[in-house]
Amino acid sequence: GESVGLHLPTLSVQEGDNSIINCAYSNSASDYFIWYKQESGKGPQFIIDIRSNMDKRQGQRVTVLLNKTVKHLSLQIAATQPGDSAVYFCAEGSMNYGGSQGNLIFGKGTKLSVKP
Amino acid sequence: DSGVTQTPKHLITATGQRVTLRCSPRSGDLSVYWYQQSLDQGLQFLIQYYNGEERAKGNILERFSAQQFPDLHSELNLSSLELGDSALYFCASSVVEGAGNTIYFGEGSWLTVV
Repeated sequence: GESVGLHLPTLSVQEGDNSIINCAYSNSASDYFIWYKQESGKGPQFIIDIRSNMDKRQGQRVTVLLNKTVKHLSLQIAATQPGDSAVYFCAEGSMNYGGSQGNLIFGKGTKLSVKP
Repeated sequence: DSGVTQTPKHLITATGQRVTLRCSPRSGDLSVYWYQQSLDQGLQFLIQYYNGEERAKGNILERFSAQQFPDLHSELNLSSLELGDSALYFCASSVVEGAGNTIYFGEGSWLTVV
C-alpha cells in the first residue's frame, strides 16, 4: 500500500524509549479528541480518546494529555516498539460541528519511526 | 481488523467516469461516515449517515453523493471524475452518533483517476 502525506513531521526514537507526539488543535469549541494510528496501506486505527472535561487519560502503554488553555494534545507511548512505527493523527470533534461528532477534523499527522 | 469492510480496495478509472465505492459498517453500527485522504488535503470528512438518513456534510463536492441503505451498508458515488479526485476514500462507522462514540475506519478504497 501507499502512504499519504508529504513532508510529515517525523519523530525517530529508539526501541524501548518513550515517545511523545504533539498536536495543536484548531477549534476551542472542540470537546472530543482522538488519536489514530495509520500504518502504510491501512486505515486509521483508533488508539485513545479524551473528552474536554478531562486533562489526562491512560490506556495500555499510551497516555493522552489535553491542555485546553493552549489547545494542545499529546500522545505518550511508553516503551516504544517497532510495531508502533506509523503515522499518528490527532483529531478533534464536537457535536456542534454540523450536529455530528463524526465530522472529525484531522491534523496533518506525525510519522513515528522506531529504530531497533 | 476494524470490522468495517470496503470494496473495491483499488480502482483505476479515466477522467469523466463514474465509480461507486461500497462500505459495510461494523455489525450493529448505525452511523456511517465517509472520509477522503489525499496528499495535499490530508484526511477530510465528506458526509455522515445515521440509520439511513443524512446527518452531516463536510467538504463533499456536488459531483459526489452517498446513501445508506436499509441494511445499513453505504455507497459513495463519485461522478465526472477528475485527476484531483485520486485519493484514498475511507468509510468509518460507529454504534450511534453522539459524544464519545468511537469511530472505526475501514481499510480504504484507493482511487486513481488517469
